Amino acid sequence: GQNIDQPTEMTATEGAIVQINCTYQTSGFNGLFWYQQHAGEAPTFLSYNVLDGLEEKGRFSSFLSRSKGYSYLLLKELQMKDSASYLCAALGGESGGGADGLTFGKGTHLIIQP
Amino acid sequence: DSGVTQTPKHLITATGQRVTLRCSPRSGDLSVYWYQQSLDQGLQFLIQYYNGEERAKGNILERFSAQQFPDLHSELNLSSLELGDSALYFCASSTTGGGYGYTFGSGTRLTVV
Repeated sequence: GQNIDQPTEMTATEGAIVQINCTYQTSGFNGLFWYQQHAGEAPTFLSYNVLDGLEEKGRFSSFLSRSKGYSYLLLKELQMKDSASYLCAALGGESGGGADGLTFGKGTHLIIQP
Repeated sequence: DSGVTQTPKHLITATGQRVTLRCSPRSGDLSVYWYQQSLDQGLQFLIQYYNGEERAKGNILERFSAQQFPDLHSELNLSSLELGDSALYFCASSTTGGGYGYTFGSGTRLTVV
């Protein structure tokens, strides 16, 4: 089976930097995704890591360590609109739909304060 | 607009009833995935179809069923509805057999009263 853990809630200040951690235990791992989801809306794709290391995309960066089963999402220059849930998802394994299925963590609710 | 269309956006129905949720995938995508999201739960995988065939099954109740039609749209049928079935139901599609991320529809909010 698969197990994905991430903090339930985090609070950060506008303009600052925040790091959201995710640990996973999964069989048949094929990569790690991060999605952003505003309340009541669809998740939207942020990043994908399949190899160890850091992927940078504008204000957002994502890191993966396969040997440690660990990933983080780094958000810089935080804006109020970044208040949302951030979902960590592992590709592959049984509970998400096989080799091309995504298993999601419960999400981290990020609150941005002025 | 993500290109994945879900209808209806909202649905209110009584316990014991049956409903059908519809999803049209993004043009060119062969895979369709159904997820359930309750208030205190993450996205729970229900079922996947690839080019008309069931490919993977998650924690889908026996009261629920799905299919994918030749035009690649998919329907999720929920029967004998219970209060606990109230949730957001998302459909997602992807290219090839999966892989590089999903594109989600805007979801159907089901309320069972």
